[in-house]
Amino acid sequence: EAGVTQFPSHSVIEKGQTVTLRCDPISGHDNLYWYRRVMGKEIKFLLHFVKESKQDESGMPNNRFLAERTGGTYSTLKVQPAELEDSGVYFCASSPLRGSAAGANVLTFGAGSRLTVL
Amino acid sequence: AQSVTQLGSHVSVSEGALVLLRCNYSSSVPPYLFWYVQYPNQGLQLLLKYTSAATLVKGINGFEAEFKKSETSFHLTKPSAHMSDAAEYFCAVSENNQGGKLIFGQGTELSVKP
Repeated sequence: EAGVTQFPSHSVIEKGQTVTLRCDPISGHDNLYWYRRVMGKEIKFLLHFVKESKQDESGMPNNRFLAERTGGTYSTLKVQPAELEDSGVYFCASSPLRGSAAGANVLTFGAGSRLTVL
Repeated sequence: AQSVTQLGSHVSVSEGALVLLRCNYSSSVPPYLFWYVQYPNQGLQLLLKYTSAATLVKGINGFEAEFKKSETSFHLTKPSAHMSDAAEYFCAVSENNQGGKLIFGQGTELSVKP
């Protein structure tokens, strides 16, 4: 099966510009997550969709970030206007809605979208 | 609140030597613990997970980790390092059995010398 796909793999923009990152989860995965790793720091949770609904957006840094998942399939994360501190790698992950019988569900991660804001 | 600490941002071992990557966690509830690995230009891949079924967890590629509640640790080990093990390793904790909202450690980059 195809994995989690993220586009673009790398984006370089100037401060003040807008960037939109896209994530295509594994087909049938209702859970979709966005994470971010700023240079030298740990990977941090941004938000969680269940189908098209935002389940938890407690990790979103501020209102310059807008995530959508229209139709419950792919998701986009828009940064507008971008600031220098937004530079980092943005990861998307997906998982089935129901956890496994053995316990915790497992996320499948994409390769990430590296954002550089100059 | 939960947290994860990985001791050592860089670890270097010789090929064939023991790999030990340290992870300590803090959690007010029974945790679900994970180790992920990221190879260059790839996504994070699950190595293994602890979900309270057994304290010694075996994962892929010969890795294993032991959950020690008294030490709040979940260290990752491999008896004999291979060159292909060079990657960045992340320990993570989740507070629920959905395993989705993960709290990650800072990551440990493993180098393997010939």
